[in-house]
Amino acid sequence: QKEVEQNSGPLSVPEGAIASLNCTYSDRGSQSFFWYRQYSGKSPELIMSIYSNGDKEDGRFTAQLNKASQYVSLLIRDSQPSDSATYLCAVGPFSGGYNKLIFGAGTRLAVHP
Amino acid sequence: DGGITQSPKYLFRKEGQNVTLSCEQNLNHDAMYWYRQDPGQGLRLIYYSQIVNDFQKGDIAEGYSVSREKKESFPLTVTSAQKNPTAFYLCASSPSDRETQYFGPGTRLLVL
Repeated sequence: QKEVEQNSGPLSVPEGAIASLNCTYSDRGSQSFFWYRQYSGKSPELIMSIYSNGDKEDGRFTAQLNKASQYVSLLIRDSQPSDSATYLCAVGPFSGGYNKLIFGAGTRLAVHP
Repeated sequence: DGGITQSPKYLFRKEGQNVTLSCEQNLNHDAMYWYRQDPGQGLRLIYYSQIVNDFQKGDIAEGYSVSREKKESFPLTVTSAQKNPTAFYLCASSPSDRETQYFGPGTRLLVL
């Protein structure tokens, strides 16, 4: 069973702080990793994709991938109340030709002024 | 504007009724997907299509059907066999089946 695990939260951080969101996955053959942001009642929107070990930065967002530990994280610097949303981790494709994404249940982030 | 559209935004189904959710994209993407989202759960794949006139079952296909007669369109029918259809339905597309997926705005299905 291919699994993607996230802490459901809520993760509460003060405005201006760094929010750290974590995701673990079960299939060591996974090759692509995505972070989506989903506001309440809306559809997911892509924030970051990462394919290689290490860090990838885009503005206030940094994705970190460690394939040996089967771990991917998203850091949000200078958190703003507008960052309050659910963050979904998605992983795929998997070894053996299973080329679909598996989504975690999401972590709810609350940024308070 | 390029994008993915879904209609209707809200849909009400009566017992025993089949309903069809629309998904259209003008991104020239080959692959299209249907997901279901329930509160507190991750997205679950219902059906996906890698190319016109071809589609595969996802993890929860029972009670659903799809067609892919045109590259731009991938409608989902929720049949009366789906006993618990209340959910948020999301359509997505990607240039190919191994690339980033982009989502439409979603359709919320409720049972009367």
